[in-house]
Amino acid sequence: GEKVEQHESTLSVREGDSAVINCTYTDTASSYFPWYKQEAGKSLHFVIDIRSNVDRKQSQRLTVLLDKKAKRFSLHITATQPEDSAIYFCAAIYNQGKLIFGQGTKLSIKP
Amino acid sequence: DPKIIQKPKYLVAVTGSEKILICEQYLGHNAMYWYRQSAKKPLEFMFSYSYQKLMDNQTASSRFQPQSSKKNHLDLQITALKPDDSATYFCASSQGQANTEVFFGKGTRLTVV
Repeated sequence: GEKVEQHESTLSVREGDSAVINCTYTDTASSYFPWYKQEAGKSLHFVIDIRSNVDRKQSQRLTVLLDKKAKRFSLHITATQPEDSAIYFCAAIYNQGKLIFGQGTKLSIKP
Repeated sequence: DPKIIQKPKYLVAVTGSEKILICEQYLGHNAMYWYRQSAKKPLEFMFSYSYQKLMDNQTASSRFQPQSSKKNHLDLQITALKPDDSATYFCASSQGQANTEVFFGKGTRLTVV
């Protein structure tokens, strides 16, 4: 069935270093892959997305890579800052706008 | 200024009772959704609506009933509440249902005792 696997449940990096979060999906029909950030006790905040007609998208310090053949996509955060600490969720869109989410990655930025 | 308003923010209910979670969006979107987040299942799709019509229902239990009285409203009625229903319920919306950003409300945190 429809599934999104998020490989890292926790990730800790030093401030200024890069962080990478990896996800895989099962349905080859998926064509839209957003990422969300959730701070403790708060809602989901959209950070970046990628559509299946491209394999790379960058927005400031964030880059998303999409490998359709491997059914894999990843979020790269460069020059990490303390405010990047949060839980990050990857997702893939299925029928009727349904988002299937990964399990989340808790990213901690160490000073 | 929140564009998706969920009420209440917190809700405590007694087992067996019925509650309604309110959601209104002021983004002009035609698609609305409900998602649930709990310790057991991080983020789970429940329903999708487009132009006030049910498009997808992934909730096995009929105790969960969405209600759309207006184009920008999608409330969630939950009957015969159980402790397992304790979760944060997020309302979301998007313009269309294909390959477009989905915006989330702040959530209603439901605790069933």
